[in-house]
Amino acid sequence: GAGVSQSPSNKVTEKGKDVELRCDPISGHTALYWYRQSLGQGLEFLIYFQGNSAPDKSGLPSDRFSAERTGGSVSTLTIQRTQQEDSAVYLCASSLVGGGWYGYTFGSGTRLTVV
Amino acid sequence: EDQVTQSPEALRLQEGESSSLNCSYTVSGLRGLFWYRQDPGKGPEFLFTLYSAGEEKEKERLKATLTKKESFLHITAPKPEDSATYLCAVQAQETSGSRLTFGEGTQLTVNP
Repeated sequence: GAGVSQSPSNKVTEKGKDVELRCDPISGHTALYWYRQSLGQGLEFLIYFQGNSAPDKSGLPSDRFSAERTGGSVSTLTIQRTQQEDSAVYLCASSLVGGGWYGYTFGSGTRLTVV
Repeated sequence: EDQVTQSPEALRLQEGESSSLNCSYTVSGLRGLFWYRQDPGKGPEFLFTLYSAGEEKEKERLKATLTKKESFLHITAPKPEDSATYLCAVQAQETSGSRLTFGEGTQLTVNP
């Protein structure tokens, strides 16, 4: 597609439920990133996929968070047993090569609210 | 630990009133410094990458500069459509192509 597509755009869930967030990157982009943006805070790195290499999961805040990327394209971020502190905007980005030298292209994000 | 501090947190300008936004950083070997623009409800939009001290890049009314400790985003004769949050981010040499560390941003409002 023309840009990075994320779905849903908004998600309200009850505490303790599991949620899945989807990212469809730009076709041909080998690198895919997930970031989290909380109110009043900067973007926080979560995970990075590059081609067929093992993902860099070093930013995932707890083992309740996981992500996968199927076929080198679509990625899903899963949060299990959601907590109120998980409320944030989850942003996905993709780039042609790793390192973001040409600038990431971000999606519009999924706003997650845990009640 | 890499750190990025942006100032001011918010800036209100009149149309045509030039100003600068600051990004101070601490990183163990800078690989690149990035500027993004973010509009409400949207993801950040890439503006510039700077690699070494002394480098400058321009795009329309924006010019980004880099020293060993900070970067400035100069806005010349801004227009209301320049209103947005401007984000600065750094990538350290040891991160091998992955994470960026972002600042909290400067929210710019340009009044007509």
